[in-house]
Amino acid sequence: GQNIDQPTEMTATEGAIVQINCTYQTSGFNGLFWYQQHAGEAPTFLSYNVLDGLEEKGRFSSFLSRSKGYSYLLLKELQMKDSASYLCAVIENDYKLSFGAGTTVTVRA
Amino acid sequence: IAGITQAPTSQILAAGRRMTLRCTQDMRHNAMYWYRQDLGLGLRLIHYSNTAGTTGKGEVPDGYSVSRANTDDFPLTLASAVPSQTSVYFCASSAAGGSPGELFFGEGSRLTVL
Repeated sequence: GQNIDQPTEMTATEGAIVQINCTYQTSGFNGLFWYQQHAGEAPTFLSYNVLDGLEEKGRFSSFLSRSKGYSYLLLKELQMKDSASYLCAVIENDYKLSFGAGTTVTVRA
Repeated sequence: IAGITQAPTSQILAAGRRMTLRCTQDMRHNAMYWYRQDLGLGLRLIHYSNTAGTTGKGEVPDGYSVSRANTDDFPLTLASAVPSQTSVYFCASSAAGGSPGELFFGEGSRLTVL
């Protein structure tokens, strides 16, 4: 089993930067995903990290430290459409994906 | 449009009734999954299938059953629904079971058990 912790809610201003932290405890680790989910919609893939370091993809970046059991998702130049829930998910040795409860980000004008 | 189709989109069901949620994908993905999503608890895995003909239990399998007769279809059955099964159910697939990969989700089925 695993514990995946992330903050419940965050609020930021349009144009700003927000960092969503995720900590996890697993018996085996095969990668960490970030998904975005708008209200009433299905989750969609944002990023995948399996090695330590930063993965940058446009306005979104994801960081992983395996030794610390820690990841963050960085959202830059926030736009109103970025208001959504952001889900941290971990794959263990059995290759099933387990999700955290999600962080709801509200972007204000 | 390629992807995952779930049906029904929404359903209200009396407790004790049998219900099957349907899931079909046309991406020829090997692995398929059923999750339920509840407020404050996130997505929890109910059952999964790494390839046609095989299934496995996830984190919360009790009260649910699945079958995987072919690659495309992965129905989820509630034999006798209870109010605690009120939730939003998401079907998902990935290209390869048994290896890390991006999940593609259906639009969800909102089930209310009264």
